[in-house]
Amino acid sequence: DAGVIQSPRHEVTEMGQEVTLRCKPISGHDYLFWYRQTMMRGLELLIYFNNNVPIDDSGMPEDRFSAKMPNASFSTLKIQPSEPRDSAVYFCASSLRLQGAAEAFFGQGTRLTVV
Amino acid sequence: SQKIEQNSEALNIQEGKTATLTCNYTNYSPAYLQWYRQDPGRGPVFLLLIRENEKEKRKERLKVTFDTTLKQSLFHITASQPADSATYLCALDPWGGGNKLTFGTGTQLKVEL
Repeated sequence: DAGVIQSPRHEVTEMGQEVTLRCKPISGHDYLFWYRQTMMRGLELLIYFNNNVPIDDSGMPEDRFSAKMPNASFSTLKIQPSEPRDSAVYFCASSLRLQGAAEAFFGQGTRLTVV
Repeated sequence: SQKIEQNSEALNIQEGKTATLTCNYTNYSPAYLQWYRQDPGRGPVFLLLIRENEKEKRKERLKVTFDTTLKQSLFHITASQPADSATYLCALDPWGGGNKLTFGTGTQLKVEL
């Protein structure tokens, strides 16, 4: 498997524009996570899905953020409208829950810059 | 509030020495604790997992300890090499299953020749 695939790798957009980040999890994994990483706050969990269903979105900072998982092989994170403070690296991760622990497999991330 | 603390200052050590990184947490009772490595421009990569009822876990040159009384985990790299230079993140998993991994901010390790 190619691992978790995210696109684009880099995104530069103007304030107020809509941004869509994409993720393809590892085939067969039943959990998908969206994280945001900044120098100040580290790696923060935004939302996670189980079997395509959003389970916990308490980390989503504002209503400007939304995430969908229409099927087991694709998820999007959308920011509308974008603001400069949204600039960060956004990671998607997936895992397969066995009995007990599950390691998370991360994608390469999308570096978002809002100017 | 819940907090995970890792040394924010970079750790510089000499090749061949043992590197020890610390992860302290408060207001958690994690079922599992995980350690990840992150290289610049890349996503974190899983290294080791330790359960609350385990004291120590080893994998090649890596060793992790988990003291639920002290609320602390130590991560050791023995015979360190320049290739071990990276940022190391600890993550707490309160219930198991990796559903709500909460990460520390990481410690940057630099192994010098």
